[in-house]
Amino acid sequence: DTGVSQNPRHKITKRGQNVTFRCDPISEHNRLYWYRQTLGQGPEFLTYFQNEAQLEKSRLLSDRFSAERPKGSFSTLEIQRTEQGDSAMYLCASSLLLSGEKLFFGSGTQLSVL
Amino acid sequence: DQQVKQNSPSLSVQEGRISILNCDYTNSMFDYFLWYKKYPAEGPTFLISISSIKDKNEDGRFTVFLNKSAKHLSLHIVPSQPGDSAVYFCAASGTSGTYKYIFGTGTRLKVLA
Repeated sequence: DTGVSQNPRHKITKRGQNVTFRCDPISEHNRLYWYRQTLGQGPEFLTYFQNEAQLEKSRLLSDRFSAERPKGSFSTLEIQRTEQGDSAMYLCASSLLLSGEKLFFGSGTQLSVL
Repeated sequence: DQQVKQNSPSLSVQEGRISILNCDYTNSMFDYFLWYKKYPAEGPTFLISISSIKDKNEDGRFTVFLNKSAKHLSLHIVPSQPGDSAVYFCAASGTSGTYKYIFGTGTRLKVLA
């Protein structure tokens, strides 16, 4: 399977704990995006990378959120000191710059903060 | 401020008939539009796209129409099939080339057999 892979699929955590999600994009794709989706809403852009460079992070929801893509391949999204309002589906997408208009999404990580 | 709006939360259509899903946007700088389909517990799946230099794009049973003056696009599915039952999102992107798409809130389509 050469699609976008996200792990874990589900994460249940207690308020105040840190969580980290992983995204493995399609191998030749050089752009990687993180989105968040809450119930009844469309995906909301958080941040994106071109290779290892994080080109925009202004939409990360607070300084508790951070993302990395250290070698331009997989990416991690970390949420520190989780709050109940962080409960959502976190989606990763990738695209190839030269034909970058089409984003390919993973199945997402469903986060529940108790 | 919701820049991309899908004002119909749900739509029911008989199998074999046409499904028309609508999307409105407010930002005149948007120049690329996508439609995605989403099943429960899965990520969105790309359906069809349209650039602002076109007013129509077709791919099999799916056609997207763009009316730039009205800032409106629509997705037509003909004929509708039960497997088309899903949530459909439209998304728009501006000229920055970053493809930071703004998504609508989605329309849940139910195709009745």
